[in-house]
Amino acid sequence: KQEVTQIPAALSVPEGENLVLNCSFTDSAIYNLQWFRQDPGKGLTSLLLIQSSQREQTSGRLNASLDKSSGRSTLYIAASQPGDSATYLCAVSGNTPLVFGKGTRLSVIA
Amino acid sequence: DAGITQSPRHKVTETGTPVTLRCHQTENHRYMYWYRQDPGHGLRLIHYSYGVKDTDKGEVSDGYSVSRSKTEDFLLTLESATSSQTSVYFCAISQEVTEGYTFGSGTRLTVV
Repeated sequence: KQEVTQIPAALSVPEGENLVLNCSFTDSAIYNLQWFRQDPGKGLTSLLLIQSSQREQTSGRLNASLDKSSGRSTLYIAASQPGDSATYLCAVSGNTPLVFGKGTRLSVIA
Repeated sequence: DAGITQSPRHKVTETGTPVTLRCHQTENHRYMYWYRQDPGHGLRLIHYSYGVKDTDKGEVSDGYSVSRSKTEDFLLTLESATSSQTSVYFCAISQEVTEGYTFGSGTRLTVV
C-alpha cells in the first residue's frame, strides 16, 4: 500500500527566505507526483506535475524535484512571500489513484 | 476550475437521511474521483470511475455508493448519513491515469 509522508507538518519562516518542503513515498512504481496548494477553506490548486521519467519541474519561484528510486521529492520555494502562506500537499499516482500526504502548513511572516 | 463543478457547496443533513453529491465536468475526461478530507487524515479516496458505468472502490468506501451514467457526471450517495461522514468532499478528474488531476471546489457536508 502506497504511503506518502510530508515533513515538516508545519513551518514558519520570515519573508524572503528560501525554503524546502519534503515528501517521501514508499512504493517507487509511480506514474507521476503532483504538488498542490490549499488555502484555508478552499480547494486544491495544482502547482507542479512531475512525470516518473522526469527529474524536476519549474514554475516561477517554485521548483520540484523527483528521485523515484529513493522515493523522495522536494518542493523548493525561492524568495518566499506572505502570499505563499498555505498548506502544501504532495500526492503520487501509480497502481492506485492519487495518494496524498497530510501536508505541510507554511506561514511566511512579513 | 478547469470545467469541474460540485454541487451543493454546503449541506446540512440529519442522521439517517440519504444524501447525493454531484460532480459535473465539461472536460470530457475519462477518470473521475471522489475524495474526503478530514483533519488528521488528509485526503482519502472514496470511489473512482474509469468510464461510464465503470467504478471501483477506494480506501474509505464503506457507507458510500457512486454512479456514472454519463461521461460528465459522477454522483456520490450516502445511503444513510452518519455523523462520521461529516467532512469536506472533493471531486477530481483526469484524462488518463498518467495525467495530472484537477480538483473541484469541494462540498462541505455536516451530518447532525
